[in-house]
Amino acid sequence: EVQLVESGGGLVQPGGSLRLSCAASGFTFSNYWIHWVRQAPGKGLVWVSDINSDGRSRNYADAVRGRFTISRDNDKNTVYLQMNSLRAEDTAVYFCIRGSKGWNGIDYWGQGNLVTVSS
Amino acid sequence: IVLTQTPLSSPVTLGQPASISCRSSQSLVHSDGNTYLSWLQQRPGQPPRLLIYKISNRFSGVPDRFSGSGAGTDFTLKISRVEAEDVGVYYCLHSTQSPFTFGGGTKVEIK
Repeated sequence: EVQLVESGGGLVQPGGSLRLSCAASGFTFSNYWIHWVRQAPGKGLVWVSDINSDGRSRNYADAVRGRFTISRDNDKNTVYLQMNSLRAEDTAVYFCIRGSKGWNGIDYWGQGNLVTVSS
Repeated sequence: IVLTQTPLSSPVTLGQPASISCRSSQSLVHSDGNTYLSWLQQRPGQPPRLLIYKISNRFSGVPDRFSGSGAGTDFTLKISRVEAEDVGVYYCLHSTQSPFTFGGGTKVEIK
């Protein structure tokens, strides 16, 4: 069974930092892209970042480029999202999602982890 | 690429059909010839779940009352007979190029 479990969220002050983790199981992690998508309270879905299977290719949404860094450890089956210079508008549930195989897209989603940026 | 969904809300009687439209600001045909348009369902309090990919392919475990159609810039998700468990918000998603973008969502509720 494919599982993606996010952790590391919580309350942080504006300007602060957090690191989200996404622990994967049930599939050959090192063969898949991983994406992060966020959802502000009561709002829609916004793609944030992705990383390819060996970690050499990374992409970011304009809203987070320069502040967020995605990385992965294929030995630990884990993807990380380092979030710096956090702003109130970064408040959201962050979802970790597996990139699909054989077609360009995303398939399995984690349960999500809430990040709240507030003083 | 901007995806515009209509309607914003769709009250439906149990057992009746529902239809959601997703219109793209530009063609979603990839250079490989495929069109990477997906549909997701988000039940209340749950993460999104993939229903349909590449316009019309049902993902693993998705009931056959869900179907997708369309081409180019206009796409439709249909639920043939709405059940109580179908209540939630539905999103279209394109993954033709980076960045992926989502439609604004359509809320399906029971009358």
